[in-house]
Amino acid sequence: AQSVSQHNHHVILSEAASLELGCNYSYGGTVNLFWYVQYPGQHLQLLLKYFSGDPLVKGIKGFEAEFIKSKFSFNLRKPSVQWSDTAEYFCAVKFRGSQGNLIFGKGTKLSVKP
Amino acid sequence: NAGVTQTPKFQVLKTGQSMTLQCAQDMNHNSMYWYRQDPGMGLRLIYYSASEGTTDKGEVPNGYNVSRLNKREFSLRLESAAPSQTSVYFCASSEARAIADTQYFGPGTRLTVL
Repeated sequence: AQSVSQHNHHVILSEAASLELGCNYSYGGTVNLFWYVQYPGQHLQLLLKYFSGDPLVKGIKGFEAEFIKSKFSFNLRKPSVQWSDTAEYFCAVKFRGSQGNLIFGKGTKLSVKP
Repeated sequence: NAGVTQTPKFQVLKTGQSMTLQCAQDMNHNSMYWYRQDPGMGLRLIYYSASEGTTDKGEVPNGYNVSRLNKREFSLRLESAAPSQTSVYFCASSEARAIADTQYFGPGTRLTVL
């Protein structure tokens, strides 16, 4: 079955630290890749997405992600986190031909200490 | 342009009661989705509607029914609520493009079943 794995359940960082959140997906051919962010008490917002082309994708608020096809990975990065980045981050994958359905990872909660 | 709206925001039910969660989008999107979010589980698809007039089961459809009332509206019904349905419910919509499709989420409904 198609699946998405996020390696860390909870990450705690101090402000200005660098961030990398892992995301891997099962083999399923061509994929569309997404990172969503959910701030406390709010709905999911799109952070960035990859469909094709340059595997390094830049999103909002200084986030970026790199698609490495050979590793089935789409890791999220930010060079210097802020307290306001405290949120839960979800990786999601659409496997082409899957009737539009997104498969979500279980999420990584990021806590940034001021 | 409100995007995706959901009502109610909060609801408490007793076991066995029924209720309908409402969702509407004003982006002229073809596809709409219902997810549930549980701690440590990410988002799981309950039902989706690829286009007006069609609905299909997702990963966790048991205990739910849906209605695609028109292109804008997609409702989720719990006929006989159970404590296991305590969750946060998110509605989403997308254009349903074959490539480069992106889902946009509503603010969620927090449901507690006692």
